[in-house]
Amino acid sequence: DIQMNQSPSSLSASLGDTITITCHASQNINVWLSWYQQKPGNIPKLLIYKASNLHTGVPSRFSGSGSGTGFTLTISSLQPEDIATYYCQQGQSYPWTFGGGTKLEIK
Amino acid sequence: EVQLVESGGDLVKPGGSLKLSCAASGFTFSSYGMSWVRQTPDKRLEWVATISSGGSYTYYPDSVKGRFTISRDNAKNTLYLQMSSLKSEDTAMYYCARQNPDGGFAYWGQGTLVTVSA
Repeated sequence: DIQMNQSPSSLSASLGDTITITCHASQNINVWLSWYQQKPGNIPKLLIYKASNLHTGVPSRFSGSGSGTGFTLTISSLQPEDIATYYCQQGQSYPWTFGGGTKLEIK
Repeated sequence: EVQLVESGGDLVKPGGSLKLSCAASGFTFSSYGMSWVRQTPDKRLEWVATISSGGSYTYYPDSVKGRFTISRDNAKNTLYLQMSSLKSEDTAMYYCARQNPDGGFAYWGQGTLVTVSA
C-alpha cells in the first residue's frame, strides 16, 4: 500500500499569512494527488485534484503543486474560514490512501 | 445541485450485518463512479469501496474485502454498501462520494454513523 505522510500534523498561523502543508508519498504517484478541506463539524470537501487543479468554486488563494512523491498545498492570505483540517489522498493505485491530516488553527 | 443522502447507519453487534444506502440527485448518476469513504472516531479517512459507473467493476481495500459489497441501482439513483462480519474497527462515519473523473472524491454526503459494539 502507498503510505501518505503529511506534515505538519498541526499548524498555527495568523490571518493574512501564507502557509504550506506537505504530503509525501511512499511511492511515485505521478500527479494523482488530491487535497481536501474539512471544517469543524462538517464534511470533507475537494479542494484540488491531479496535484494542482482547483475544484469548482475553490478560491484562488488555494494552490497545489508537486509530482512523483512530494506535494504541497499552499494557502495564501489566510482567512478565518480556512480554519479546518486538510487531508491529502493518492489515487495512483488501489488501495487509495489518505494522509493523517493537518489541523490549521488561527493565532 | 449535487445531493447525496446516506441512510442505514446503526448500532450493531460484532459479527452482525448492515446495509447502507445513498440516494443521489442533481446529476446523471449512471455517468459517474461512486465510492464509500469512512472516517474513524480519531478522524482518519479510509477509502472503503468504489464501483464503476455501470456497476461492472468494484474495488476494495483488504481490510473490508470479502466482508463488504458495494452495488448500485442506476434506475433508482441509489448506491449501496452491504456490510457483514462487522468488527469494532468498522466503527465510523460512512460517507457516500461521487468520483471526480480526473481524480478525487468530488462530492460527499453528510454521512451515516455505524457503531459496532457489544
